[in-house]
Amino acid sequence: KNEVEQSPQNLTAQEGEFITINCSYSVGISALHWLQQHPGGGIVSLFMLSSGKKKHGRLIATINIQEKHSSLHITASHPRDSAVYICAVRSGAGGTSYGKLTFGQGTILTVHP
Amino acid sequence: GAGVSQSPSNKVTEKGKDVELRCDPISGHTALYWYRQSLGQGLEFLIYFQGNSAPDKSGLPSDRFSAERTGGSVSTLTIQRTQQEDSAVYLCASSLSGNQATQYFGPGTRLLVL
Repeated sequence: KNEVEQSPQNLTAQEGEFITINCSYSVGISALHWLQQHPGGGIVSLFMLSSGKKKHGRLIATINIQEKHSSLHITASHPRDSAVYICAVRSGAGGTSYGKLTFGQGTILTVHP
Repeated sequence: GAGVSQSPSNKVTEKGKDVELRCDPISGHTALYWYRQSLGQGLEFLIYFQGNSAPDKSGLPSDRFSAERTGGSVSTLTIQRTQQEDSAVYLCASSLSGNQATQYFGPGTRLLVL
């Protein structure tokens, strides 16, 4: 079993739909990242969070440390949101963690107009 | 300011040749990471630098892989005697510090070993 599991692996939506991507992890972490990768493009860090919830525009990320689970939500989805969304965890805790990331397999999101 | 840059963007080489991949991190970022993304696979960690030292090399897949960082800035990942299974996108990321800092990724070097 992978340390970081994402679901679903593939997600197709119509423009305007509310989207949720889930991430579960099995190790202790100091932070969790949500990354976005466009086809042929680089990787962009969307969120880094260690507790609670963060919001940026139409994107919302939540994390439940006790349940070892995080979700990425996209409201009012748009075709330009089509990308691979990757969950990554930074293992360890506190000052001993240096930032090495363990990645989920990614969720391929396609939003149709 | 400038982001993380990597060169070359694409590299095609023959099996058995050596290749060098370069990463220029964001100025002032002390932490630097190399990752690899193979076709159909997820991202995997290769090596971490803090300054010029590499406290964690645990992700390097074999002794054909090595990396160095000089002046706390530029890093080079070297693959000796390349094999077809080395074909992948090699990504570099940097951050202000190792802990609790956002990592900024470069565009990657797409390596194809024929």
